[in-house]
Amino acid sequence: QKEVEQDPGPLSVPEGAIVSLNCTYSNSAFQYFMWYRQYSRKGPELLMYTYSSGNKEDGRFTAQVDKSSKYISLFIRDSQPSDSATYLCAMSGDSGGYQKVTFGTGTKLQVIP
Amino acid sequence: DAGVTQSPTHLIKTRGQQVTLRCSPKSGHDTVSWYQQALGQGPQFIFQYYEEEERQRGNFPDRFSGHQFPNYSSELNVNALLLGDSALYLCASSLVSRTDTQYFGPGTRLTVL
Repeated sequence: QKEVEQDPGPLSVPEGAIVSLNCTYSNSAFQYFMWYRQYSRKGPELLMYTYSSGNKEDGRFTAQVDKSSKYISLFIRDSQPSDSATYLCAMSGDSGGYQKVTFGTGTKLQVIP
Repeated sequence: DAGVTQSPTHLIKTRGQQVTLRCSPKSGHDTVSWYQQALGQGPQFIFQYYEEEERQRGNFPDRFSGHQFPNYSSELNVNALLLGDSALYLCASSLVSRTDTQYFGPGTRLTVL
């Protein structure tokens, strides 16, 4: 079983829709949770990061972490064609100050005009 | 402010050869992590360097080695290349203990023939 599970999609939605992207994980030591956006043939771009449980909002993006269920989500409101990309969840825990980041496989999102 | 830079952009090698990839971190960052991203997969952690020493290592063989220089730049070396080493190699920089806010470079696409 992989430490981080993410549905690879693809996920197709009409422009303006609310998008929900999710990951589950098995390692209870994870404390830091990140979402990255990756356009084709580019490096990942950090979108949001959170520590422990709770919600965090940044513009059209909202990240949620539920540590009791080992489940994290990213919501995109009013989705735009420019949001079409692969979204990667990532997690890490504290191991003496040097943290190894574990990524999901990524969900490919297509927003149709 | 320059972000993370990597060179070269693309590289073609044959089986058994050796390759060196280079990375310059974002200004102010002191920690460099390297990742391998196969097509359709999330990045896999190779290792992390801080203060010119390898601090964390993922599940990669000893053929993968690295170095960090006093100016925080880094190199990834891969010996005895295999076909399966074909991938996008990503460098990410951060401050030590803040891998929740890593910034990625554009990557080096390595093709092994």
